Amino acid sequence: GAVVSQHPSWVICKSGTSVKIECRSLDFQATTMFWYRQFPKQSLMLMATSNEGSKATYEQGVEKDKFLINHASLTLSTLTVTSAHPEDSSLYICSARDPASATDTQYFGPGTRLTVL
Amino acid sequence: GENVEQHPSTLSVQEGDSAVIKCTYSDSASNYFPWYKQELGKGPQLIIDIRSNVGEKKDQRIAVTLNKTAKHFSLHITETQPEDSAVYFCAASDRTGFQKLVFGTGTRLLVSP
Repeated sequence: GAVVSQHPSWVICKSGTSVKIECRSLDFQATTMFWYRQFPKQSLMLMATSNEGSKATYEQGVEKDKFLINHASLTLSTLTVTSAHPEDSSLYICSARDPASATDTQYFGPGTRLTVL
Repeated sequence: GENVEQHPSTLSVQEGDSAVIKCTYSDSASNYFPWYKQELGKGPQLIIDIRSNVGEKKDQRIAVTLNKTAKHFSLHITETQPEDSAVYFCAASDRTGFQKLVFGTGTRLLVSP
């Protein structure tokens, strides 16, 4: 099956710093990638939809200036958490849709756990 | 927008028993319903999915049923094994826009030996 990777798998940073998370589709080209946030023992909440070569579409309530998304190629999307604060600590998970798939299947990465001190 | 409800939130069964998780959705335009399994510290893994033109789909010990009229779908796991223990999420998406997924709240399944 299709594989999606994320880097780093975990990161600890100080409050006020910025953190970049990478999401890669390893064996397919993804025109659309999605970024989710998951707090402990909660469901996945969609933050934004990332399209290659265009601006990301953010869900209501998600600050686009705080969560910067760049989808510069068909296999890479990045999420930058700017001026991180402790309340941003969460598991950030990306997914990618394989346009060659006959279904709307989204393949998920393993997640990046962000801890802001 | 779409709203997905999932029950139960926790489910404990004995090894070999069956487990059933149910979800309801609100948007009649939704036409794709995947189920994901998430193990501790890992990302969600697709285990089975169903489209709205199909009422039932089966893959070995896992099956999903869909009732479009009632707008609910269910995951059935037979002959459960301890390695089935995980959190299971249902989701729904529609064909508009980017086919975004809306997730249920998750079911923590515990299979005891």
